[in-house]
Amino acid sequence: DAGVTQSPTHLIKTRGQQVTLRCSPKSGHDTVSWYQQALGQGPQFIFQYYEEEERQRGNFPDRFSGHQFPNYSSELNVNALWLGDSALYLCASSLTGLDEQFFGPGTRLTVL
Amino acid sequence: DAKTTQPTSMDCAEGRAANLPCNHSTISGNEYVYWYRQIHSQGPQYIIHGLKNNETNEMASLIITEDRKSSTLILPHATLRDTAVYYCIVRVVAGANSKLTFGKGITLSVRP
Repeated sequence: DAGVTQSPTHLIKTRGQQVTLRCSPKSGHDTVSWYQQALGQGPQFIFQYYEEEERQRGNFPDRFSGHQFPNYSSELNVNALWLGDSALYLCASSLTGLDEQFFGPGTRLTVL
Repeated sequence: DAKTTQPTSMDCAEGRAANLPCNHSTISGNEYVYWYRQIHSQGPQYIIHGLKNNETNEMASLIITEDRKSSTLILPHATLRDTAVYYCIVRVVAGANSKLTFGKGITLSVRP
């Protein structure tokens, strides 16, 4: 049983560009959450998707947007990249009604 | 969600018990205590959670004080692979996959 997978592993972009990160949830899970982790900090919640809708959102600007597909996989899009967007982006999947979130290995984004 | 306070770091000898403290003095009656850990270059991993009773699983034990204002995660026989950042999180479990609010965590170093 594959766990949560994310692609790509690493990514380098320049300021002003746009980026799309992808996440496949653990088999049977229907909810995907995205987190941003800056160096030396704990992960910060960006948003959560369930039934293809954004259900919760953290304190992140509209430059951060997402999507969930019918197969429950998800994308995180970031527009107009800033240097401060450099971070590890983590995807977590869960099943409604259960408490545990399973995290993927993350995508390391570097903005130059 | 209530805030938590953890020491910045601690170490212990391999084979000995590691006791990781967490203060959550403003915890509400409907908030659970969760512990996750993050090994270097990996996504966070769920360890254990509890409401008011002590809990034990194959990874660790969670001891919550009677007033619920603090807790201790116990790794009974620490190994080098337990070196990681450990996050204590308090969270309302509403059956809707509520977000995780991470602090900076405590860095546990297990020495040979």
